Amino acid sequence: KQEVTQIPAALSVPEGENLVLNCSFTDSAIYNLQWFRQDPGKGLTSLLLIQSSQREQTSGRLNASLDKSSGRSTLYIAASQPGDSATYLCAVRVNTNAGKSTFGDGTTLTVKP
Amino acid sequence: DTEVTQTPKHLVMGMTNKKSLKCEQHMGHRAMYWYKQKAKKPPELMFVYSYEKLSINESVPSRFSPECPNSSLLNLHLHALQPEDSALYLCASSQVDLIIYNEQFFGPGTRLTVL
Repeated sequence: KQEVTQIPAALSVPEGENLVLNCSFTDSAIYNLQWFRQDPGKGLTSLLLIQSSQREQTSGRLNASLDKSSGRSTLYIAASQPGDSATYLCAVRVNTNAGKSTFGDGTTLTVKP
Repeated sequence: DTEVTQTPKHLVMGMTNKKSLKCEQHMGHRAMYWYKQKAKKPPELMFVYSYEKLSINESVPSRFSPECPNSSLLNLHLHALQPEDSALYLCASSQVDLIIYNEQFFGPGTRLTVL
């Protein structure tokens, strides 16, 4: 059974700081990994999708990396802004049941002005 | 159009009521999903439809009944719910090619309260 862990559970940083969020998974036979952000009481917004054959994806100030062999993905946020404050979730699809995504518990990020 | 819409935004119902949640997308996606999310927890998968057929049911109680009338619409019929079913219900969609599922896009959710 795939287990996904995100550490830390919460992170508070001053504005302008670069930061890294972590996502670990137990089954390396993944199909893809997707990063989302969620604002309180809202739906999930897709940030980046990394296919199993890729090592990283970039979108603006965001960069996500994937290391299947070690069961890890990181989300790098450059020059953080207060508007980046949200909960960040990673979700993994495994090869044997690609229709199902397993989510981590998320990291709640607060960027202080 | 990269939007998934959900109606209603909020729903309050009694344990004897019957209600339905609706989800719609016009991105041509052939996979659609229902998730349940409790406060400060990640989304939990309930159902997956692929090409309008139910492909995954995560042992959800029968008081939740999904329906996919066409490739753009997904409904969740609710009957005889319990207070612990109160949660944010999220719909999502993605492209699918046979067993290859791609990026998921989520709707804003329906906040359900069961009294």
